[in-house]
Amino acid sequence: DAKTTQPTSMDCAEGRAANLPCNHSTISGNEYVYWYRQIHSQGPQYIIHGLKNNETNEMASLIITEDRKSSTLILPHATLRDTAVYYCIVRVPSKGGADGLTFGKGTHLIIQP
Amino acid sequence: GAVVSQHPSWVICKSGTSVKIECRSLDFQATTMFWYRQFPKQSLMLMATSNEGSKATYEQGVEKDKFLINHASLTLSTLTVTSAHPEDSSFYICSARDRSVGAAGYTFGSGTRLTVV
Repeated sequence: DAKTTQPTSMDCAEGRAANLPCNHSTISGNEYVYWYRQIHSQGPQYIIHGLKNNETNEMASLIITEDRKSSTLILPHATLRDTAVYYCIVRVPSKGGADGLTFGKGTHLIIQP
Repeated sequence: GAVVSQHPSWVICKSGTSVKIECRSLDFQATTMFWYRQFPKQSLMLMATSNEGSKATYEQGVEKDKFLINHASLTLSTLTVTSAHPEDSSFYICSARDRSVGAAGYTFGSGTRLTVV
């Protein structure tokens, strides 16, 4: 799995968009970018993933640069419940689902009231 | 969506006793499940891969005789911490992937907080 770099922590005001960056300069052509988050004392939650194109779902948007060396997770209208550690993971999706995930340190996003 | 149920959510046990943690996939079958451990203020660390009907695969440094894994059915994996000691106190989390959803992500249980006293 390619190495990722994320800021240790970020603050964002409630109601504003939270933009979480992730650098993955060594990403290979068949590796996807996945985002998970972990709210305190809970299991991680899948957010979104993408390969090349920007992606959007009900939780967030994922913007991947054209060279794929970095990406940004966007929470469009952050709420206090979005306070969590956000993990960016780059990997090839295993066909059989036989590989566990490698978590880095992630970004601790704190939403301020 | 895919749901993984983990039980118990917390447990306190005495040093030297064993504790069993269950992980169930509620609406999909999982031939493979994963067990992670997370110490305070640290990230999740993969401990082992649980394979239905066969032996688990353990990550380097994880004692297989201490952390017994059983994956007897396509919807249930158990992790037993044997002869628990205070240093085994941690947050244990299981995970599984619903292969029917293609490249989408893994689903995690809610975790088990183990405290050994």
